[in-house]
Amino acid sequence: DQQVKQNSPSLSVQEGRISILNCDYTNSMFDYFLWYKKYPAEGPTFLISISSIKDKNEDGRFTVFLNKSAKHLSLHIVPSQPGDSAVYFCAASAGTDKLIFGTGTRLQVFP
Amino acid sequence: DAGVIQSPRHEVTEMGQEVTLRCKPISGHNSLFWYRQTMMRGLELLIYFNNNVPIDDSGMPEDRFSAKMPNASFSTLKIQPSEPRDSAVYFCASRSGTSVYEQYFGPGTRLTVT
Repeated sequence: DQQVKQNSPSLSVQEGRISILNCDYTNSMFDYFLWYKKYPAEGPTFLISISSIKDKNEDGRFTVFLNKSAKHLSLHIVPSQPGDSAVYFCAASAGTDKLIFGTGTRLQVFP
Repeated sequence: DAGVIQSPRHEVTEMGQEVTLRCKPISGHNSLFWYRQTMMRGLELLIYFNNNVPIDDSGMPEDRFSAKMPNASFSTLKIQPSEPRDSAVYFCASRSGTSVYEQYFGPGTRLTVT
């Protein structure tokens, strides 16, 4: 039973355009959400996070939006750059140290 | 500063053999996590420790899997006997007590069981 779902296994976007990665969750107890980025042959690295008391968090080109009523969050990357090509994981916590990860979305940014 | 260190980076073994994966967390971090990554299930938490004590091992798939953390700077994940379905990338991650949920991952160990 996947509590955190990333239904798009891959996404292809042109350089300079917006990339939107989506994540849905089922557990209403989740109160903190994170996005991780992973390059091949490396471990995931933390990108950005959001608490359930907010609906938006921005860090440079990266913005995460949270819609609690829809149990949905999204990561926007504007403008997209070739170096953003990676696998992006959404993760959630229900107030404990335990993070539940999605299956990831592979983003490819082409020139 | 050194990040999370994992060894070996690659392991190829035959079915039935014992496999031991090793992890050195970031100095000063008091939580350590073991994950397994597969195409079908993404990143699955196997077990995690706080202050060297196992807190949640509900993700450990079977009794063939065991993990230890004898001190704050070292942890092992052991599979015995190994099976082909254990083939995956295994990640170790650590977290500081002052960090809000953010975990720092090692480079992973790619395990292939033939």
